[in-house]
Amino acid sequence: QQQVKQSPQSLIVQKGGIPIINCAYENTAFDYFPWYQQFPGKGPALLIAIRPDVSEKKEGRFTISFNKSAKQFSLHIMDSQPGDSATYFCAASSGTYKYIFGTGTRLKVLA
Amino acid sequence: GAGVSQSPSNKVTEKGKDVELRCDPISGHTALYWYRQRLGQGLEFLIYFQGNSAPDKSGLPSDRFSAERTGESVSTLTIQRTQQEDSAVYLCASTNYGGNEQFFGPGTRLTVL
Repeated sequence: QQQVKQSPQSLIVQKGGIPIINCAYENTAFDYFPWYQQFPGKGPALLIAIRPDVSEKKEGRFTISFNKSAKQFSLHIMDSQPGDSATYFCAASSGTYKYIFGTGTRLKVLA
Repeated sequence: GAGVSQSPSNKVTEKGKDVELRCDPISGHTALYWYRQRLGQGLEFLIYFQGNSAPDKSGLPSDRFSAERTGESVSTLTIQRTQQEDSAVYLCASTNYGGNEQFFGPGTRLTVL
């Protein structure tokens, strides 16, 4: 119940493509869903986050889509660039301090 | 510095030795987390400190692992009698009281030979 399942494990797209990363959860008490971006040799950094009272949130080229009934949320990267090549983690928390992280998606954007 | 810092950045040790990893959180951040990230895996919660409250140690994998934090300052994660399966990147993060965003340090890459 505490798991967050993330897919795919890895993804390769051409520059300008729209990679989509999906996450699914079971615990309906989760109320905060962040996405973190991690470059090699660096710690993860918050990219964008959503709460379940909205179905979509956009920040620049990054969009989270949230489906409360399906208990799924996804990250879309518009007009992807080689600089977006990184590992992306979804996470969920239930108003407490403890995040449950997904297993990560390694994205490569080809020039 | 403005961010979370960790030291050392890399540590190579022999099986059975003890290691100590250090985390300097962002000044003023009351909460501090330790995570373990094995190669190609997600982030595994280890321990959480919030101010002077009792820490949440529920993620520590064995009694060989311990962590300390004095007040709202530096934290150290100690691994005793290291094993090869302890090889991983150990990440530290801090947050403001009541804040959601976790600010991560660059991690310490531990290799146990």
